[in-house]
Amino acid sequence: NAGVTQTPKFQVLKTGQSMTLQCAQDMNHEYMSWYRQDPGMGLRLIHYSVGAGITDQGEVPNGYNVSRSTTEDFPLRLLSAAPSQTSVYFCASSTGGNEQFFGPGTRLTVL
Amino acid sequence: GQQLNQSPQSMFIQEGEDVSMNCTSSSIFNTWLWYKQEPGEGPVLLIALYKAGELTSNGRLTAQFGITRKDSFLNISASIPSDVGIYFCAGQIGGSWGKLQFGAGTQVVVTP
Repeated sequence: NAGVTQTPKFQVLKTGQSMTLQCAQDMNHEYMSWYRQDPGMGLRLIHYSVGAGITDQGEVPNGYNVSRSTTEDFPLRLLSAAPSQTSVYFCASSTGGNEQFFGPGTRLTVL
Repeated sequence: GQQLNQSPQSMFIQEGEDVSMNCTSSSIFNTWLWYKQEPGEGPVLLIALYKAGELTSNGRLTAQFGITRKDSFLNISASIPSDVGIYFCAGQIGGSWGKLQFGAGTQVVVTP
């Protein structure tokens, strides 16, 4: 099993550009989530999903969209990137308990 | 906003020493989790706690779920160089899956 995979590993965007961060898991986990990590702030929940077709907002959802068309994939879309979205983004998945497994992260810089 | 207070922010210790860190919350949590993150990687789960008062060990790591359900601590005994990293606590409120709140992390540096 590859576990949780994220692409790209690094990305630089200009303000106003859009892009999609990819996340996939091969563990047949129903639950997936996206976090952002900023210095000195730990991880903050952006969006999460409890199954295909079901998504909900977390603590900091503004500026981000998600969809869950399959169990395996949970992409995160930035509609119009802003410098405040410069961060490290982590995707996580779980079987249903709170023991979430994290991907390696995507480091995003918005100029 | 963030409701978890994790301390200390950083620790510089010598190899062989014990390490202790804790998290306190303004809310009652049903679950406490402790993660370790190494540079350039995602957090890895170390210990999960599900009951107030629960004390759980994983090798040299020991964590406890406070009886008030508003705090937890993590101890690392006899530290070694590979213990270097950032340790995060995380708590879950109520029955809503996925809504974990994370502490800001404790950076541990171990010197020989």
